[in-house]
Amino acid sequence: AQRVTQPEKLLSVFKGAPVELKCNYSYSGSPELFWYVQYSRQRLQLLLRHISRESIKGFTADLNKGETSFHLKKPFAQEEDSAMYYCALNSVGNTGKLIFGQGTTLQVKP
Amino acid sequence: NAGVMQNPRHLVRRRGQEARLRCSPMKGHSHVYWYRQLPEEGLKFMVYLQKENIIDESGMPKERFSAEFPKEGPSILRIQQVVRGDSAAYFCASSPTAAGNTGELFFGEGSRLTVL
Repeated sequence: AQRVTQPEKLLSVFKGAPVELKCNYSYSGSPELFWYVQYSRQRLQLLLRHISRESIKGFTADLNKGETSFHLKKPFAQEEDSAMYYCALNSVGNTGKLIFGQGTTLQVKP
Repeated sequence: NAGVMQNPRHLVRRRGQEARLRCSPMKGHSHVYWYRQLPEEGLKFMVYLQKENIIDESGMPKERFSAEFPKEGPSILRIQQVVRGDSAAYFCASSPTAAGNTGELFFGEGSRLTVL
């Protein structure tokens, strides 16, 4: 079964501390994984996709097939990073039907 | 480009009534997705439509729920005879191509349905 698990509902860190938002997936085949973000009073939007191997707003995420993980990391958190983060998996069939995790609220304290 | 527009933003219905949620995709987007977010849960896929076609409705409950995306006008998610368990936020997303190619969906602000 295809599944995405984000084990932490809330992650609270101080400004300047490293951040790691955990995401594990279950998928048979080559997964396509994404991180979406929702800032306060804004729409859910794409943050980054694993296939691009990009760094956006200082965030990176590496696909680890051995551990079936796609954790989101940032070395130094900023207050403006406070938001809800969703890990998502592109389902079999490549129709754009994304399977979302339950989301993690990141709270960056001053 | 105004972005994906959903209305109403908030809808209150009594048990047994019908709820209609509308979604206008971004200009130039012909692929529409509906997701539901129950309290304390993540977004769950419901249905994927292109103009006049339902492509994937594997996430739709078998009864009472239907969706359409006509040639003209917005996509509509219709819930007949609502029950309390239908209370949720319903999100619409659109993409210019099948989002399987890029994984990027453009989301609306959601419609929050409350069933009394």
